[in-house]
Formats: sequence, C-alpha cells, structure tokens
Amino acid sequence: NAGVMQNPRHLVRRRGQEARLRCSPMKGHSHVYWYRQLPEEGLKFMVYLQKENIIDESGMPKERFSAEFPKEGPSILRIQQVVRGDSAAYFCASSGDRSYYEQYFGPGTRLTVT
Amino acid sequence: GESVGLHLPTLSVQEGDNSIINCAYSNSASDYFIWYKQESGKGPQFIIDIRSNMDKRQGQRVTVLLNKTVKHLSLQIAATQPGDSAVYFCAENEGGSEKLVFGKGTKLTVNP
Repeated sequence: NAGVMQNPRHLVRRRGQEARLRCSPMKGHSHVYWYRQLPEEGLKFMVYLQKENIIDESGMPKERFSAEFPKEGPSILRIQQVVRGDSAAYFCASSGDRSYYEQYFGPGTRLTVT
Repeated sequence: GESVGLHLPTLSVQEGDNSIINCAYSNSASDYFIWYKQESGKGPQFIIDIRSNMDKRQGQRVTVLLNKTVKHLSLQIAATQPGDSAVYFCAENEGGSEKLVFGKGTKLTVNP
C-alpha cells in the first residue's frame, strides 16, 4: 500500500488523557499536513511539516496541541488533556517536492472523547 | 470566515445524468484549486485540479471549470453513476500558500 497511512483509525479517550495520532506519508513524499474535520463540515488546516521542521502551524490551537515529523518514523499529532470539543476526524495528507498543493489524504483517525 | 464556499449543500440526480457541483471562492490570490470526493468514513480522494492560468481541465468523466472573473469553480461529472454518491469538496491554496482551504461540501446522491 503506497498511500498515506494513519493509525489508529479510531481512538477513544477520556477527558484529560492524551491522544497520539500517527501518519506515514506516501513513499517519496516529504511534506505532511494535518487537517481536522467536524461532522458535516469541511476540513480545517492545522499544521504543515517537513522532515524535522514545522513550516506553518497557523491552524493549530495555541495550547494542548503539538505536531512533529522526525527524521525517522511517522508524523505525530499530539493532543494533551483532551476535551469533548476535540472529538473529530483528523486527516493527514502528504505531497511531494514538485507539487506542494497536490495533497493526498489518508483514511483519517476518528477521535472520540468521552 | 471561510474563503471557499458552496452554493448547494445537497444535489440529487438520476443515474446516467450529468452532475454539476458549484463552488465560490473569495481569495483572488489563490492560484490552485482542487476537487475532492469523500465517501462516508473515508478520507478525501483527489479527483481533479486546476491552476489559475487555465479555465478548463478535463479528466475521465470529470471536467473542472474555473471562472476567475466571478471567482467561481465547478465540477461536472458526466454520466453519473451510483458510485459517484459522496460529498464533494472544493479547495483552494489560500493566497497561493501550501495551506488548503476547504468549502463545506456538497452531498451528491445518485438515484438508480
């Protein structure tokens, strides 16, 4: 499977716990983007990363949310002390160096906070 | 507010008919536009894209039209099939950046 991979597909957390979402980009892609989608809505940009660098985090909430894309391994979106309002589908996309805009999405992680 | 939006939230067509899904955008600096298809429980699937130096682009059964004068984008699906039933989103690269801004989506239902 050469597509974008995300895990877990479903994640249930109690309020106050931490959520870790993982994303492996398509083979050959070095640009990763995270988006959040609430029910019946479009996707909202959160953060754009390249290997070891955060390029644009203008869509990330100031507190509790962080993202990384280490030299080795998947990109991680971390949400600390989750609240009910964090319940959403989180999608990762990747693109290659030649076309930043041609972003291909993974299947998403559906986070439910109880 | 959102710089990309859609005129109709739902569209119902008969199998075999042509479908047209519309989208309005407001950021004149955006120069790349994409249509995505999202089926229930899945991630958005890339359908077709168009750059601002073009006004029309065709793919397999799909055509995207771009009217920069009125900031309007449309997706035409020929001979719509039941498998085309999904939510369709348009997206733009906000102000020419790598950040994609999505509209709210149009739910297409194809009746047999």
